[in-house]
Amino acid sequence: GNSVTQMEGPVTLSEEAFLTINCTYTATGYPSLFWYVQYPGEGLQLLLKATKADDKGSNKGFEATYRKETTSFHLEKGSVQVSDSAVYFCALRDGTGGGNKLTFGTGTQLKVEL
Amino acid sequence: NAGVTQTPKFRILKIGQSMTLQCTQDMNHNYMYWYRQDPGMGLKLIYYSVGAGITDKGEVPNGYNVSRSTTEDFPLRLELAAPSQTSVYFCASTSAGANYGYTFGSGTRLTVV
Repeated sequence: GNSVTQMEGPVTLSEEAFLTINCTYTATGYPSLFWYVQYPGEGLQLLLKATKADDKGSNKGFEATYRKETTSFHLEKGSVQVSDSAVYFCALRDGTGGGNKLTFGTGTQLKVEL
Repeated sequence: NAGVTQTPKFRILKIGQSMTLQCTQDMNHNYMYWYRQDPGMGLKLIYYSVGAGITDKGEVPNGYNVSRSTTEDFPLRLELAAPSQTSVYFCASTSAGANYGYTFGSGTRLTVV
């Protein structure tokens, strides 16, 4: 079956530090990959996506590259801000299963301090 | 431009009570989903629907029921609430095609005591 593994949190960084949140996946087909962000008390919001190998998704200074050879989709940002504090979820959608269902990782909490 | 609307935002139930969590979307999306979010566990799919009149079980359907009589609405029914159903519930929707992400509602925080 499909699965997504994310690095454990919480991750605590100082403002302007470099961020990496690791994500690896297992899928039966050729999945699309997503990063979602959840701010306190809110639902999940789509942050970025990639639909095929070597695609790079980017948004708001965050980026992630779909690496088929390492089955990874690591999230990076060059300089984090306090406002980036949130929980980040990696997810995949395998088009072979029907229903366009997403499989989520367990989430990684990011705390950015001044 | 409401997106996905969930009601209520908070609810406390006693063991054995029943309730319906409401979910409505105004984007004409065919696909709708119910997830529960537990601390450190990510999101688990409860039920989903690929269109009006069609529903199917996800990973954790026990204790829940759904219906989809219209494209817009996808209510989740809890019968005989149990403490294990204490969670945050999210409804989401999307269009067909693997390139689309989901649009999520803001969630319902349910406590069963």
